[in-house]
Amino acid sequence: DIQMTQSPSSLSAFVGDSVTITCRASQNINNYLNWYQQKPGNAPKLLIYAASSLQSGVPSRFSGGGSGTDFTLTISSLQPEDFATYSCEQSFSIPRTFGQGTNLEIK
Amino acid sequence: QVQLQESGPGLVKPSETLSLSCTVSVDSIRTYSWAWIRQPPGKALEWIGYIYSSGSTNYSPSLKSRVTIEVDTSKNLLSLKLTSVTPADTAVYYCARLGRFGEIFRRVPQYYYYLDVWGKGTTVIVSS
Repeated sequence: DIQMTQSPSSLSAFVGDSVTITCRASQNINNYLNWYQQKPGNAPKLLIYAASSLQSGVPSRFSGGGSGTDFTLTISSLQPEDFATYSCEQSFSIPRTFGQGTNLEIK
Repeated sequence: QVQLQESGPGLVKPSETLSLSCTVSVDSIRTYSWAWIRQPPGKALEWIGYIYSSGSTNYSPSLKSRVTIEVDTSKNLLSLKLTSVTPADTAVYYCARLGRFGEIFRRVPQYYYYLDVWGKGTTVIVSS
């Protein structure tokens, strides 16, 4: 199985800040990488697929990058509604695997 | 707009079978592929498996001997069965639509899969 490791596990920032979350795969997954946002008590929401493609309806302050084993999710100009947990998922091979999540908290 | 709604017993006894349903609001459930995902309390998301529009399935190796995912086309219903449950199966269970994006790279079609529509989730506790 491909292991997905996110860093940091938690992060605090101010409204208006820019933050970057990293996801590392245990082997090359090309750009088969998705990012999800999850708020407490809610289902995950797709933000980014194919490492850098923005899902329809997602604000442009979210951006994804990377390929191979190292990937990033950047949120520029944080808004109050962005404070949530973010998870990456590899779609390169079966079984699909997720990162452990990064909890983004308001400072 | 596609909507999904999970349903099932909130409490299951150890060694019994967990059965969940997901009602899908689409014209035909066979048009798409579907997934089940779960999230134990305070833990990461865990992939359970897919059922493709063709009817074929992929399951997590760690659950493969216990899990069955099916669709009932007459009712537009997606189902999950997990046998011989233990407290480790306690989780929020989500059904989701498997989206796909295709592109041609060096003359070879490439498909990217992602979970683009999710149900709200249903909590299942395994306890005697």
